[in-house]
Formats: sequence, structure tokens, C-alpha cells
Amino acid sequence: QVQLVQSGAEVKKPGSSVKVSCKASGGTFSSYTFAWVRQTPGQGLEWIGGIIPIFGTTDYAPKFQDRVTVTADQSTGTAYIELTGLRSDDSAVYFCARGASGRYLGEDWGQGTLVTVSS
Amino acid sequence: ETVMTQSPATLSVSPGERATLSCRASQTVSINLAWYQQKPGQAPRLLIYGASTRATGIPARFSGSGFGTDFTLTISSLQSEDFAVYYCQQYNDWPPITFGQGTRLEI
Repeated sequence: QVQLVQSGAEVKKPGSSVKVSCKASGGTFSSYTFAWVRQTPGQGLEWIGGIIPIFGTTDYAPKFQDRVTVTADQSTGTAYIELTGLRSDDSAVYFCARGASGRYLGEDWGQGTLVTVSS
Repeated sequence: ETVMTQSPATLSVSPGERATLSCRASQTVSINLAWYQQKPGQAPRLLIYGASTRATGIPARFSGSGFGTDFTLTISSLQSEDFAVYYCQQYNDWPPITFGQGTRLEI
């Protein structure tokens, strides 16, 4: 099992950006996939995008394509998501999820990071 | 985009009974279908992948079936800890990966 520890809660102004980290412990970081999924209060799960470090490839949901960047630092075993142009409806809990074998499957999950967008 | 539709939205079942949850894809996803359990304030937990393979540590009372567009998660004898929200997810075709809207399993 791989442990994923995410950075802490953020409060941001509309129009600003946020960057959330997800540090992995255990296993071989480069062989995994890392996805970012968000959940608004009382709502379902929404996939934002992901990265496969060993291939250096990223995938983004069309809805977020123009304002999201997912990166991975293999030297520290950390994945990141940066979301720009924040709006109030971006307020949500953001989860990272680890998969393997090139699949975006949530075999392990981080604890979630609450991002609040408010003026 | 592959749209995932779960039914019912809420399922009321008594402990010890069987629960059957459904998930339908708008186009074939082969067997690239996963089920997750989520409890309040927690991250989702992977239960089933490959439509029918239990993830590590998942009790045998959880089983999955289906292929193509129609899938089922069955919990054979409900325990108190099984009352939660369940999501299906397709990972056949991306981006985007898509989830169903969830089924709330309640007592």
C-alpha cells in the first residue's frame, strides 16, 4: 500500500490560483499514475486530470483543460495540481489518487485538501 | 465522454440483507469498471476493479459483475459498516475518467 499525504487547506480569492501537493510514501513513484479528483459538499466525484510520471504524460478533463496543470517531481515523490482562475464553484475537497499499470484507478487516496474560494 | 448512471440513488436495506447496486455506461467500457465506497469525511476506498476483482483486503461479501455497459455491485449480507455511498468509475476511455453520481446505501 502506498501512503499519500496532501498539503493543508487553502483559502483563495476569486481569480487567483492554488497549488496542492500529494506526497507518496512507499513503492516506486515513477511506475504509478496520479489522478486528481474533487468533491463539492454533498456531491459526487469529479475527475480533473492525471499524470503518468514514467511516460511524462498528462491527461486533463476538457472542462479544466485551459486552467489546470498536473505535475510530478520524481526526486521527492510528490504530485501537484495547480488550478488557475479560481471561482466560487471551485470550492471543494481535492483528492489525489494513485493507480498503476498506466490506469487511472484509485488504489490509494490522499486524505483530501479543502480549497475554499471566497472574496 | 462516457456517462455513468447509477441506480437507485438511495437504497434502504436492513443489516443482514443483500444489496444490489447498478451502474450503466453510455458506451461500452469493456471490464474497465471500478466500484468505490465512501463514508462521510473520508476518501473513497477501492472495492472492485476489472468489473469483478476485489481489491486487497476487501471482504468476500462484496462482489462485482458485468461487461460492456451494465454492471452490478452486490453486497451479500450487509454489515453496519457497509452503510455508505458507492460510486462506479469507468477507466476505459479518457480523458475524462468518469464516475457515476453515487448510490447512498442506508439502513
